[in-house]
Order: sequence, then C-alpha cells, then structure tokens
Amino acid sequence: GDSVTQMEGPVTLSEEAFLTINCTYTATGYPSLFWYVQYPGEGLQLLLKATKADDKGSNKGFEATYRKETTSFHLEKGSVQVSDSAVYFCALKESAGGTSYGKLTFGQGTILTVHP
Amino acid sequence: ETGVTQTPRHLVMGMTNKKSLKCEQHLGHNAMYWYKQSAKKPLELMFVYNFKEQTENNSVPSRFSPECPNSSHLFLHLHTLQPEDSALYLCASSQEGRTQYFGPGTRLTVL
Repeated sequence: GDSVTQMEGPVTLSEEAFLTINCTYTATGYPSLFWYVQYPGEGLQLLLKATKADDKGSNKGFEATYRKETTSFHLEKGSVQVSDSAVYFCALKESAGGTSYGKLTFGQGTILTVHP
Repeated sequence: ETGVTQTPRHLVMGMTNKKSLKCEQHLGHNAMYWYKQSAKKPLELMFVYNFKEQTENNSVPSRFSPECPNSSHLFLHLHTLQPEDSALYLCASSQEGRTQYFGPGTRLTVL
C-alpha cells in the first residue's frame, strides 16, 4: 500500500537558518503530494501541494519539488522564523481512478522549533 | 482555514457516556472525512462520506458511529469509549477527491 516517510524530529533551528524536512513516498500510479502544517492547539492547514512530477509547490517562503525519480517531496525554506514553529506533515493522495476516494496517507509528522 | 468548524473544541467524558462531535463545512464541498490523531502515531483516516454516502470505514470500532445528514454537516457519535480513544479528532472536507481542508479538531479525553 501507499506510505509516506518523513525525517525523524524534532528539528531545532535558530531564526534565519535554512530548513529542510525530508519526505519520501511509496505509491502506485501518480499521486498528488502535500505538505500540511499544524500550529500548537490547531488543526492542519494546507501549506503547499504538487500534482505531477517536477511541479514545485510554494507558499509563505516554503517550497517543495515533486521528484518522481527519487520519490521525494522535501520541504525547504531559506530563512525560518520563530512563527514557523509547528508540526509539519507530508502526505500523498492516490491518483484519480484509485479505489480510495480522496484518501490521504500521512507521514508521522516532524516537529520544528525555531529559537530567536 | 475557517471554512471547516468543529464543536466542541475540547471534550472530557467517562467511559459510559454518550456524546457527539460536530463538523460543519462552509466551502460547498461534497466529501467529508473523520481522522484520528493520537500521540506519536500518524493521522488515521476513520470515515469518508461522498455525497452523504459512506464510502470508507477504516475498520473503526462500532463505538464510533458517524452520521452525515447533508453534505455540509458531519457528526461522530461516541458511546462506551475506552481511555485509548483519547485523541484529537479532525474533520476535513473536499470537493470530490481533491485537496482536503481541515477543521481545528476536537480534543477528546476519555476518563
């Protein structure tokens, strides 16, 4: 079945540092890929997405590129802020025509803490 | 994302209680989902409703009973829960199988 693997956390950085959170996946067909963010005490918010190979999703300074050859969707940000402290989830949705309508498969989440 | 609301935000219940969680989406979507988020575990999909019809039940125990009276409302009825059911319960909605948008969740504690 489909699966998503994220790098182990927690990740602790100083403000303005470069961020990478690795995400790799296993899926049949051509899934869509997502990054969601969960701030303390809140639900998940969609951060960015990519629907086909070589697509780059971007939002709020975060970027991720859909790499089919390495089955990866790593999240990056050039300069993190304290307000970026949250839990980040990588997820995939199987391609249209799959048996599970709209089903998202999530990674385990990576806790990011940014210090001033 | 304020398009999906959930009530209550926090709930404490005993194992013999009956309670319900409510989710409402204001995005005009036709699919709704219940997820369970436990500590140190990936998010688990519980139920999927598409056009008010349940299309997926991920082997969820019968003490969890979903109800979808229309495409904007989704309930999760709880009965005779166990302490290990304590978790954050998240509702999401989407237009057909496209991008899912989540509510803030209900933090459930079972004593």
